[in-house]
Amino acid sequence: GENVEQHPSTLSVQEGDSAVIKCTYSDSASNYFPWYKQELGKRPQLIIDIRSNVGEKKDQRIAVTLNKTAKHFSLHITETQPEDSAVYFCAAIGDYKLSFGAGTTVTVRA
Amino acid sequence: KAGVTQTPRYLIKTRGQQVTLSCSPISGHRSVSWYQQTPGQGLQFLFEYFSETQRNKGNFPGRFSGRQFSNSRSEMNVSTLELGDSALYLCASSTNRGQETQYFGPGTRLLVL
Repeated sequence: GENVEQHPSTLSVQEGDSAVIKCTYSDSASNYFPWYKQELGKRPQLIIDIRSNVGEKKDQRIAVTLNKTAKHFSLHITETQPEDSAVYFCAAIGDYKLSFGAGTTVTVRA
Repeated sequence: KAGVTQTPRYLIKTRGQQVTLSCSPISGHRSVSWYQQTPGQGLQFLFEYFSETQRNKGNFPGRFSGRQFSNSRSEMNVSTLELGDSALYLCASSTNRGQETQYFGPGTRLLVL
């Protein structure tokens, strides 16, 4: 099955700085990579996703890049704001099921 | 459209009991997946149902089971509860399976005493 590794496990950034979270996956057949944001006590919410036929995707302050050769993908958040503080999960589809990374707790310091 | 709903939201059980959790997907979604979320293990895939058939299963013991009805609503059952089953159980629905975006419900928080 798919194995997704996510780094770092915690990330503290100053408001206005950028945050980068990296994930690697094992199944070369994986072709769909969503990112979820989970605020304390709430459900995971999809924030952005990318498919294997695309190398980069951007949505306002959030961008995701995918390197299929190296089997890694990254989430970039620019101009971080306090409301970006949450746990972020990367995931990959392998064998028709989502496998999640362990999560990154992002804290944005005011 | 209404989002994914789960009932109950909170549940307290004792060891040895069994529990049934319910998930209603977004209208039109035929795939329902279940996940267990714990602080130490993150989000672990339990199983996925599509058109009333279990299509995929994670690495959980047989005490964890599920089913899906013709209206796509799904239930999961845990028998002979153990302390380690305490977790947030999330379901997610999608229109199909595989590459489709999954939308999560609010979860059922289960505490086993």
